[in-house]
Amino acid sequence: TQLLEQSPQFLSIQEGENLTVYCNSSSVFSSLQWYRQEPGEGPVLLVTVVTGGEVKKLKRLTFQFGDARKDSSLHITAAQPGDTGLYLCAGYYAGNNRKLIWGLGTSLAVNP
Amino acid sequence: ETGVTQSPTHLIKTRGQQVTLRCSSQSGHNTVSWYQQALGQGPQFIFQYYREEENGRGNFPPRFSGLQFPNYSSELNVNALELDDSALYLCASSLAGGGSSAYEQYFGPGTRLTVT
Repeated sequence: TQLLEQSPQFLSIQEGENLTVYCNSSSVFSSLQWYRQEPGEGPVLLVTVVTGGEVKKLKRLTFQFGDARKDSSLHITAAQPGDTGLYLCAGYYAGNNRKLIWGLGTSLAVNP
Repeated sequence: ETGVTQSPTHLIKTRGQQVTLRCSSQSGHNTVSWYQQALGQGPQFIFQYYREEENGRGNFPPRFSGLQFPNYSSELNVNALELDDSALYLCASSLAGGGSSAYEQYFGPGTRLTVT
């Protein structure tokens, strides 16, 4: 059972375009993390959000945690070829910080 | 600060054999989690170790077992390998009890296991 749904699963865009990736669940999470993974490597943590409604910015990346802490989004402004990779969201259910629940990921390709 | 390291990077085994994968956690971290990642999928949680004891387990059979050592490094052992065990095995370390930082896991580069 996939408990964190990510969309879209695949995304191919041109350099300079904006994009948004969504991560949704019917359950409440105490925190949610976004990772980026390149082929043959482990995921690299980009950001952690813990407060409902929280917005964090990392250069051209904007992360938002839903008010009810059931969803999150990643927005990339003016995408560059270096942004290409697999973007994964993962979260901990409230009261359980042992098992990180993962989405299937969004595979992003930014074409020059 | 030393990051998470894993060995070996690649491994080829035959069905029915046993394999041991190793992980050294990031300095200052006391918790290690292991994941299996199939191609095109998100990581699947295998188990977590804290203070040398299993501290949570995903939906994996008992032939997947692990150890954590006093220096917080860890091993993942898989017995009676099956073809479906072919995957990238990821180790992640974290610091339990550190407030919001307790939620953050830092990953090693993974071990690519191929079972033929």
